[in-house]
Amino acid sequence: DIQMTQSPASLSASLGETVTIECRASEDIYNGLAWYQQKPGKSPQLLIYNANSLHTGVPSRFSGSGSGTQYSLKINSLQSEDVASYFCQQYYDYPYTFGAGTKLELK
Amino acid sequence: QIQLVQSGPELKKPGESVKISCKASGYTFTDYAMHWVKQAPGKGLKWMGWINTYTGKPTYADDFKGRFVFSLEASASTANLQISNLKNEDTATYFCARETGSSDWFAYWGQGTLVTVSS
Repeated sequence: DIQMTQSPASLSASLGETVTIECRASEDIYNGLAWYQQKPGKSPQLLIYNANSLHTGVPSRFSGSGSGTQYSLKINSLQSEDVASYFCQQYYDYPYTFGAGTKLELK
Repeated sequence: QIQLVQSGPELKKPGESVKISCKASGYTFTDYAMHWVKQAPGKGLKWMGWINTYTGKPTYADDFKGRFVFSLEASASTANLQISNLKNEDTATYFCARETGSSDWFAYWGQGTLVTVSS
């Protein structure tokens, strides 16, 4: 199975700050990576697919980058509504696997 | 608009069975596979597998072989997840999620169904 190592596990940042969350795959996943945002009691919401494609309706302050085994999600100009947990998911190979998540809080 | 609406929360005892439904609307049900994802309380997401909504063929992740069954009521645009011989560790929220057609990132999710297993 492909292991997804996500870091950091938690993150505290101020409004307007830029934050970066990273995911490392245990093998090359050829950009088969998505990022999701999940708020408490809600289902995950797709942010990014194919490592760097912004899903329809997602604010442009979210961006994804990376290749091979290293991927990152960047949030520019942090807003209060961005407080949530974030997960990466590889869909390059079965079984699909998720990172353990990053809990983003306001400082 | 595309919607996945899941059945309500369940409270079960160990050894019992539960069936969760996921009713799709806003698209042709048999055109897109349906996936299932588990989230234990306060934990991350775990992919359980998927079902081909055209053929009905299920594919299970290794950890979900045996007690877990994916099924369809295609005429009702509904996918089901049945869990038998429930264990305490099955306590979780279960999500259905639809594939996009070109690949398996999930733009559409059900609202989740909480299954609590407790004696």
